[in-house]
Amino acid sequence: EDKVVQSPLSLVVHEGDTVTLNCSYEVTNFRSLLWYKQEKKAPTFLFMLTSSGIEKKSGRLSSILDKKELFSILNITATQTGDSAIYLCAVEENAGNMLTFGGGTRLMVKP
Amino acid sequence: SAVISQKPSRDICQRGTSLTIQCQVDSQVTMMFWYRQQPGQSLTLIATANQGSEATYESGFVIDKFPISRPNLTFSTLTVSNMSPEDSSIYLCSVRGPNQPQHFGDGTRLSIL
Repeated sequence: EDKVVQSPLSLVVHEGDTVTLNCSYEVTNFRSLLWYKQEKKAPTFLFMLTSSGIEKKSGRLSSILDKKELFSILNITATQTGDSAIYLCAVEENAGNMLTFGGGTRLMVKP
Repeated sequence: SAVISQKPSRDICQRGTSLTIQCQVDSQVTMMFWYRQQPGQSLTLIATANQGSEATYESGFVIDKFPISRPNLTFSTLTVSNMSPEDSSIYLCSVRGPNQPQHFGDGTRLSIL
């Protein structure tokens, strides 16, 4: 059965810290891996990764994919309280376009 | 990215009743999906909404409980039928255009008493 596993489950840091969130996956027909940030109800899109070794960057956030080892990381540098959220990793397969989500990492950034 | 309007934003319902959730997109999209997020859990795909035909349901979800319509490329509805407290969840619509990632609506927080 396809699965997506995120770690850690939760994380508490202080403002200014750097965090690394992990996502490993096992899917049959991999197309892409996506990261979302969920603060209230709606997950908001962060990154979509399709190729190994190419870092995607947006401000203090960056992400990279390793298709050989089947994992991705999401880095957040100089964290702020506004980064507090649940970060979701999802994998898209070639057939059906559906997303399989991991359990999420709950990040709390304290002032 | 497309602007997705989902309503209602939240509702509190009596058990045994049904609620229809609407999802409207401001542009034509290839794919529309419905997800459920139970309290403390991640997102689970309910079904893919197919334009002009029956939705494609995932394992554990059936049409009688979650009827879905998609009359055109910009609109879909999900009905949660004969609700019980176990149906209390956030329900999310998502859309995907060609060569685009999935984007989500604001979600509907549903509580059943």
